[in-house]
Amino acid sequence: DTEVTQTPKHLVMGMTNKKSLKCEQHMGHRAMYWYKQKAKKPPELMFVYSYEKLSINESVPSRFSPECPNSSLLNLHLHALQPEDSALYLCASSQVGPAGITEAFFGQGTRLTVV
Amino acid sequence: KNEVEQSPQNLTAQEGEFITINCSYSVGISALHWLQQHPGGGIVSLFMLSSGKKKHGRLIATINIQEKHSSLHITASHPRDSAVYICAGRETSGSRLTFGEGTQLTVNP
Repeated sequence: DTEVTQTPKHLVMGMTNKKSLKCEQHMGHRAMYWYKQKAKKPPELMFVYSYEKLSINESVPSRFSPECPNSSLLNLHLHALQPEDSALYLCASSQVGPAGITEAFFGQGTRLTVV
Repeated sequence: KNEVEQSPQNLTAQEGEFITINCSYSVGISALHWLQQHPGGGIVSLFMLSSGKKKHGRLIATINIQEKHSSLHITASHPRDSAVYICAGRETSGSRLTFGEGTQLTVNP
């Protein structure tokens, strides 16, 4: 199983809503990532979790709140978003081994629209 | 700051043609990912390379560590290969990926 599963696939939310994006992998990977991708641009790193601990926060606004409840799950809680936050949100995972980080596997993404 | 430069930005080919996409990277990057992204969709990892060459079906990826250059080749291209191809460098010291700007490949029947 080399799959990273993201739900929902599409999400439309108002600026006062609270919603969550979910990501799940069962490859035993201990590093998990959130990326944001705008149209025709490469993904931008938001957060990295390593062994369920937040290791990188790329100065992301606090209206995005990540959570890693266990080694298989990664959530991104959304609150009071702005229309400019509309984008494709991608989750990825990779193994952490003696030789460092291994190949990253990406999910299909959640297409988020903030209205 | 790690950098990854990819070329060409856009590539149009006829079905059956041999395709090459190039990627150059800076010091501080120890491995290269080649990724594929179809319109509206998620990213599929094609290869991760830190040396030599890898092959999977019609796809071949090579890396030259001395020259800090990698190439992705597609043999006998097909319209279903139409996608954005992205190279991404794995930093030596951590978990960040530095992404190239992507190559939009269109293969016409």
